[in-house]
Amino acid sequence: AQSVTQLGSHVSVSEGALVLLRCNYSSSVPPYLFWYVQYPNQGLQLLLKYTTGATLVKGINGFEAEFKKSETSFHLTKPSAHMSDAAEYFCAVSETSYDKVIFGPGTSLSVIP
Amino acid sequence: KAGVTQTPRYLIKTRGQQVTLSCSPISGHRSVSWYQQTPGQGLQFLFEYFSETQRNKGNFPGRFSGRQFSNSRSEMNVSTLELGDSALYLCASSVRSGRAGVETQYFGPGTRLLVL
Repeated sequence: AQSVTQLGSHVSVSEGALVLLRCNYSSSVPPYLFWYVQYPNQGLQLLLKYTTGATLVKGINGFEAEFKKSETSFHLTKPSAHMSDAAEYFCAVSETSYDKVIFGPGTSLSVIP
Repeated sequence: KAGVTQTPRYLIKTRGQQVTLSCSPISGHRSVSWYQQTPGQGLQFLFEYFSETQRNKGNFPGRFSGRQFSNSRSEMNVSTLELGDSALYLCASSVRSGRAGVETQYFGPGTRLLVL
């Protein structure tokens, strides 16, 4: 069965600092991996996704994630945090693209001025 | 191009009632997925429709059902509502485009259901 763990339910960073949100997954088949963001009182937005090919995936708003099969990880990074990055971030895994997606519990990111 | 729209945005029901939520995908999108978000269970996949056919279903009881119409609009229905069904219900539509068939997904704002 597939599952996702996100280390740290809450992460705080200073404005301008590196953002690192951790995601580990388990899957019996090559996974599709996703990062979603949810701003306060809003719906979800897809940040980026990994399907096949290049293991470093670039997304919107300056975020990127690297698929590391040996570590079963898909950590999300951004070089310099902005106040507008404060939101809930969800990592997700699927066997076949957007259907039957399994979500992680989410990490709440706070950005300190 | 209009985004994914969901109606109603807010809904209050009582236990035992049933509810129908509607989702209109982006024009040209044939795949619609539904998700439930609660503080306790987090985000969970409900089901996915493509061209009026349910392709996948998450681990939810039979009280949760859905359908998709020929214009790709989708509805989900929850019968015999329970307190635990109080949640934000999100709908997303997706489409494959380009020579490589890259699939892109867009979410609606959600319907917030409160069961009393």
